[in-house]
This record gives sequence, structure tokens and C-alpha cells, in this order.
Amino acid sequence: DAKTTQPTSMDCAEGRAANLPCNHSTISGNEYVYWYRQIHSQGPQYIIHGLKNNETNEMASLIITEDRKSSTLILPHATLRDTAVYYCIVSATTDSWGKLQFGAGTQVVVTP
Amino acid sequence: GAVVSQHPSRVICKSGTSVKIECRSLDFQATTMFWYRQFPKKSLMLMATSNEGSKATYEQGVEKDKFLINHASLTLSTLTVTSAHPEDSSFYICSASGTTYEQYFGPGTRLTVT
Repeated sequence: DAKTTQPTSMDCAEGRAANLPCNHSTISGNEYVYWYRQIHSQGPQYIIHGLKNNETNEMASLIITEDRKSSTLILPHATLRDTAVYYCIVSATTDSWGKLQFGAGTQVVVTP
Repeated sequence: GAVVSQHPSRVICKSGTSVKIECRSLDFQATTMFWYRQFPKKSLMLMATSNEGSKATYEQGVEKDKFLINHASLTLSTLTVTSAHPEDSSFYICSASGTTYEQYFGPGTRLTVT
């Protein structure tokens, strides 16, 4: 069973920041938070991951709460090409070679 | 970034035949590869985990005799769907990870069994 809870869908205006929430209240101390996205009929694309510190890369920022029970993925300037299903996954890299269990994800639609 | 390819991208086969799908890591050595399937409008379901040179570990409910997985080298894993039936029609996706445990996904293979 997926260990995360995400909203089913959200809309975002092109050029604005998209903030995608994720709850993972049962996260263990050795589990990372991963974000992937899947554009229709393609394989998932890695976005970012973190353990407890906030992380930023060229695609997005990841904000993890101090108690690690929730996180937010931020796409700073959403474009139409960011329309996809976004998956928040918790996984321990030392557990079963880093298996990823995908939940339902959040369908993000970026509109002009 | 790391690139994973799959071949073929689409395949149509007749019921009762077997189909082989290849997954290759093009620019890194994949110690572990994963196979997923995805039905329309559904999320990815992990089918099995394979480590180079050893037998695959299948998730509960996945028939190992029907979905044969071979991971003979650090850059290639194959999934063979044996005696395929229409209910096996799905989107099959592989992923590969190296020493950093980050998974990189292939583009997927659309299997249609008629």
C-alpha cells in the first residue's frame, strides 16, 4: 500500500508557481521522500528527493516539514509541459534495493 | 542524466504467443532493474525486482512462470510474457538503478494481445 496521500488533481496557471502537497505521516527515519512525474503514455521522470533538509534543483524545490510528516513540491514557474501526474513516494534506499510503490498521484493541469 | 531504453515501444501479438520486452541502461551500469505494469488511468504497479546475475523477486500476486525476467548483464534486462492473453494487454515500464539507488525509467512498451 502507498504510504503517501496526495490530492487527486489540481490546476495551475501557466507562469505561476505550483505547490503540490503530500502527506506521509507514517514515514520512517530511514525513508526518503521522492517525487516523480509521468506525462501521458511515457515512463515516469525523476524530479527530486530528500531526507529531511529542503532540496532544490533545476526542476523544482522540495520542502519537508520539520517532523517529516508532510512535504511540498514546488514548480517555480509552471509551463504547459508540466502537465502530468505527479507522484510522491517514500522509500528507504537500503530496503529492497530502493523499491518504489506508486500511489494514485496528483493530476496537475497547467492552463494558459 | 541516466538513460534507459525499452524495445519495442509497441507490440501487438496474438493470444497464446510469447512476447519479449528489452530494457537497457545506456550510459550506466544497472545493478538493479524493476518491472512495472500500468493499466489505463491507473498507477504503476511493481511486478518484480531483478539484480544482475540472480533470480528476480516477484511481488505478491505476480505469476513468475508467466512473466519471465532475465537480468543477464549490468545493462540489459528482459521481460517475457508467456502465452499472452488479452488481459495481459497493458503498458509495461522498466526502471534501472545503479549505485545511487535513484531509479531511471524507460519510455514504456505498449502490449496489445488480440
